[in-house]
Amino acid sequence: DSGVTQTPKHLITATGQRVTLRCSPRSGDLSVYWYQQSLDQGLQFLIQYYNGEERAKGNILERFSAQQFPDLHSELNLSSLELGDSALYFCASSVAASGGTEAFFGQGTRLTVV
Amino acid sequence: TQLLEQSPQFLSIQEGENLTVYCNSSSVFSSLQWYRQEPGEGPVLLVTVVTGGEVKKLKRLTFQFGDARKDSSLHITAAQPGDTGLYLCAGVRSSASKIIFGSGTRLSIRP
Repeated sequence: DSGVTQTPKHLITATGQRVTLRCSPRSGDLSVYWYQQSLDQGLQFLIQYYNGEERAKGNILERFSAQQFPDLHSELNLSSLELGDSALYFCASSVAASGGTEAFFGQGTRLTVV
Repeated sequence: TQLLEQSPQFLSIQEGENLTVYCNSSSVFSSLQWYRQEPGEGPVLLVTVVTGGEVKKLKRLTFQFGDARKDSSLHITAAQPGDTGLYLCAGVRSSASKIIFGSGTRLSIRP
């Protein structure tokens, strides 16, 4: 158990819909990262938050947005969903703003868009 | 364009054999990490290397960071079926805080 909690574990929704994925980081970790992993692919960096502020942005679509709340949990919002958005979405947390420290990953949310 | 290229993409070998996985980039990284991911799980960190030329050993796994801090390798000695999984390298550049992952090497060890 990494200490990072993601909910829900599975999500099936229709095209055009909007979903929210939730992540609770490890106790004491200030950084939260979001990644997308398509079938048999590596991890694509979406966005990073540190202590409530956006820290770094990757190839995140305009239809996607995220935020980190004062209690440090984070949410990833995906809207106008398309079939190609089906993937595993991982959240990771670390103590520092820099990725040089160990990042702990949650078990992911498997999103299926039908 | 993938910032970190891993090779091979797939590798299937017999138990007891040795193997090496490579992670290459044209960019310099302040640190490089190796993760292992099993189906349905998130990646789990194996090691972090930060110094050019650094070698770290974790039982039968040997990790090396290139002198120029642009590449890394993972060598497994006497592979076991339990080593099966997706191996991901990930780099952090000093000018940025995000962790960039390679495309992964899917390793299968046959009993």
